[in-house]
This record gives sequence, structure tokens and C-alpha cells, in this order.
Amino acid sequence: AQSVAQPEDQVNVAEGNPLTVKCTYSVSGNPYLFWYVQYPNRGLQFLLKYITGDNLVKGSYGFEAEFNKSQTSFHLKKPSALVSDSALYFCAVRFLDSGAGSYQLTFGKGTKLSVIP
Amino acid sequence: DTGVSQDPRHKITKRGQNVTFRCDPISEHNRLYWYRQTLGQGPEFLTYFQNEAQLEKSRLLSDRFSAERPKGSFSTLEIQRTEQGDSAMYLCASSFPSGSPRTDTQYFGPGTRLTVL
Repeated sequence: AQSVAQPEDQVNVAEGNPLTVKCTYSVSGNPYLFWYVQYPNRGLQFLLKYITGDNLVKGSYGFEAEFNKSQTSFHLKKPSALVSDSALYFCAVRFLDSGAGSYQLTFGKGTKLSVIP
Repeated sequence: DTGVSQDPRHKITKRGQNVTFRCDPISEHNRLYWYRQTLGQGPEFLTYFQNEAQLEKSRLLSDRFSAERPKGSFSTLEIQRTEQGDSAMYLCASSFPSGSPRTDTQYFGPGTRLTVL
């Protein structure tokens, strides 16, 4: 079955330290991969995506993610965390095998990131 | 871009009542999506429109749920005979047409929080 997993419900990191939020997926073929961030009582904000090409993708607010096909992972990273990065982060996948016209995204359960001053 | 807007932002209703939500996508976008997000979970896909055509529907979209996009612009999501299990955040997203470099990115609105008493 096609699925997305965010193995950590919560990640705590000290301000200024590097952060990683993990995402793995289970699918055949080549999916499209996305990261979104959600602040309290707000919708999802797009951070970055991987479609094809360079495995290292750079996005908004200094975030980047690395696509690893052999490990079926797409971990979100930032070299130096800010307190303002504290939020809920969602990994999402578009499974192309769902049909050529399928545009639905499948989301992980989310990871709460807390950056400690 | 002006963002995706949703109305109302909050709705409290009694079990058995009907409710309707509205979504106005970004004006250049021809695709529109509805998702549902419950507490502690990632968004779950409900349905998707390309222009006025409803092209995908999730099995989550029971007979009590109906979505329309009559003129290919705004969309409405109606829930009939609401149940307590319908309490959730209902998110709308939209995306650019095929051919745009941003066609694969879904931009989300702030959501409508439904509480069924």
C-alpha cells in the first residue's frame, strides 16, 4: 500500500542548531514530494517540492530537503534553527501510480517542531 | 497573488443540521481541492475539480457530502445531516493549470473549522 510516514511526533532543537524532520514513503515508481508548514489556526504553507532533477531541493525560509530514492526518504533540513520555525510540519506525496490524472496529495501525520531559545 | 480564501472560518452546528462552506481559489488557478484535517492528523483528500469538472472523489466523501464548482471559479462543500464525526478543519487548495512551472504545487486556504455539537 502507498503511504507516507513521519516517524517523529515531536522534534526539539536548540536555537542555532541544525534541524532535521524525517519523512519516508512507500510507493512504486517516482512520486512527487512536498513539505508544508502549519502555524496555529492557519492553513498550510508550501515550503518546497521535489519533482525531478537534483536530489537536494532548496525552499523557503532557508529550508532544504534531500530526496533519497534508495531509502525512500525526503527529510527536511535547516542548518540553523530559529525560534520562529516552531510549527507543525507535514510531508506530502503525490503518487503518480494512482492514475495519470491523479493530483491528490497524501500527507503524513505531521511533526511538531519546537525550537528552544 | 491574493491567496485562497475560505468562508466561514468557524462554524458551530448541531447534529443533523446542514452546513455549506465556500472556497475562492487564486484567480489564475483552474484546479481546486478539498481536504479534511482532524486533530493530530494530516489533511486527507476529499475531492478535486479541474475547472467545473469534479475529476476525483475520495471514499471519505460519503453520500452526505457534496461539492460543486459550477462556473469553474469558487467552490462549495455541503455536508448534510451533520454528525459529530464530521467535526474537523476543512481545507481548500488550488493550483495552476498544466504547463505552468508551479502546476504541481497546491496552495492552501486558512480552512473552515467545523464543530458539530
